[in-house]
Amino acid sequence: GENVEQHPSTLSVQEGDSAVIKCTYSDSASNYFPWYKQELGKRPQLIIDIRSNVGEKKDQRIAVTLNKTAKHFSLHITETQPEDSAVYFCAASKSNFGNEKLTFGTGTRLTIIP
Amino acid sequence: GAGVSQSPRYKVAKRGQDVALRCDPISGHVSLFWYQQALGQGPEFLTYFQNEAQLDKSGLPSDRFFAERPEGSVSTLKIQRTQQEDSAVYLCASSSPEVVNTEAFFGQGTRLTVV
Repeated sequence: GENVEQHPSTLSVQEGDSAVIKCTYSDSASNYFPWYKQELGKRPQLIIDIRSNVGEKKDQRIAVTLNKTAKHFSLHITETQPEDSAVYFCAASKSNFGNEKLTFGTGTRLTIIP
Repeated sequence: GAGVSQSPRYKVAKRGQDVALRCDPISGHVSLFWYQQALGQGPEFLTYFQNEAQLDKSGLPSDRFFAERPEGSVSTLKIQRTQQEDSAVYLCASSSPEVVNTEAFFGQGTRLTVV
């Protein structure tokens, strides 16, 4: 089955600096890669996703890149703010129609230092 | 509804007790997933329904775990004879494959503590 690895497990950055979180996956059939943000005690919320037909997607301060050949994808957050502090999970799925399970990474605890 | 609703939010069970966790998906969402999230870990897949059909239950850790969605909307995850290792947050997610660029919407989860 699919295996998703995520690094680093913790990340501290100065407010205003950039943060990068990296994930690798094992199953070449995976074609949908969402990123979720989870604040303490709250539900995971989708912040950005990418499908295998594109290599990069950007939404304001957040961007995701995908390298299907190398089977890795990354989350980039620029101009970080205190409210970006949370745990971030990457995930992979074989379908972008919401009818296949997500395999999650182990999470990255991001702390923004004011 | 406005979002995925789960109840109860918190459940404390004595070891050996049976528990039932409820998920109300977003109205009209065909796909429903259950995930288990242990402390400090990512969610792990348990089972998947498409309408009332349970199409994938490969993630259920033992035969003590049972899920149903009899009318294709509300789903219940039942755990029999709970063990301490069952302590986790149980997340439900729903999605609608008919929607272009669909996403999975998560509920807030049920935190189960087995004592």
